[in-house]
Amino acid sequence: AQSVTQLDSQVPVFEEAPVELRCNYSSSVSVYLFWYVQYPNQGLQLLLKYTSAATLVKGINGFEAEFKKSETSFHLTKPSAHMSDAAEYFCAVNAGNMLTFGGGTRLMVKP
Amino acid sequence: KAGVTQTPRYLIKTRGQQVTLSCSPISGHRSVSWYQQTPGQGLQFLFEYFSETQRNKGNFPGRFSGRQFSNSRSEMNVSTLELGDSALYLCASSLGTSGGITDTQYFGPGTRLTVL
Repeated sequence: AQSVTQLDSQVPVFEEAPVELRCNYSSSVSVYLFWYVQYPNQGLQLLLKYTSAATLVKGINGFEAEFKKSETSFHLTKPSAHMSDAAEYFCAVNAGNMLTFGGGTRLMVKP
Repeated sequence: KAGVTQTPRYLIKTRGQQVTLSCSPISGHRSVSWYQQTPGQGLQFLFEYFSETQRNKGNFPGRFSGRQFSNSRSEMNVSTLELGDSALYLCASSLGTSGGITDTQYFGPGTRLTVL
């Protein structure tokens, strides 16, 4: 069975500070990993995905994530946070078109 | 290209009633998946339909059912509603042709169901 753990339920950062949201996965097979963002009262928007083509994946809005198999991690980073980045972020693994999500991390951006 | 649409956006029902939610996928997408999002349980997979057939099913009781039509539109039905069914129900569509492993799922805005 595949699972995803997001270690932090909330991450506060100051505006223009770097962001790191942590995600660890557990899987016995090849994985395909995703990061989604959810703004209040909206659905999920795809930020980026890893499908084994490259370990460093660049997404929208300046976010990127690095797949580290030895650490079973897929942390999401951004060099400089904007107020508009405040949202909930979900890491997910795809097991046959069935996404398994982590618990989510709320990114709080302070001025 | 239009995104995934879900109707209605908001719904209020009472215990014991049944409800039907609708999802229209992105044009050309043949797979539709449904998820339940609650504060306590997070995002949980309900089921996935591909070419009018249920291909995957999550761990939910039989009160939760779905179907898919020939135009790939999907409906989800919940019978005998319970208070705990209050949630945001999200629909996602994808091409579905690779067996789903590498597919990217695109989500709709969700239907907020409140059970009183």
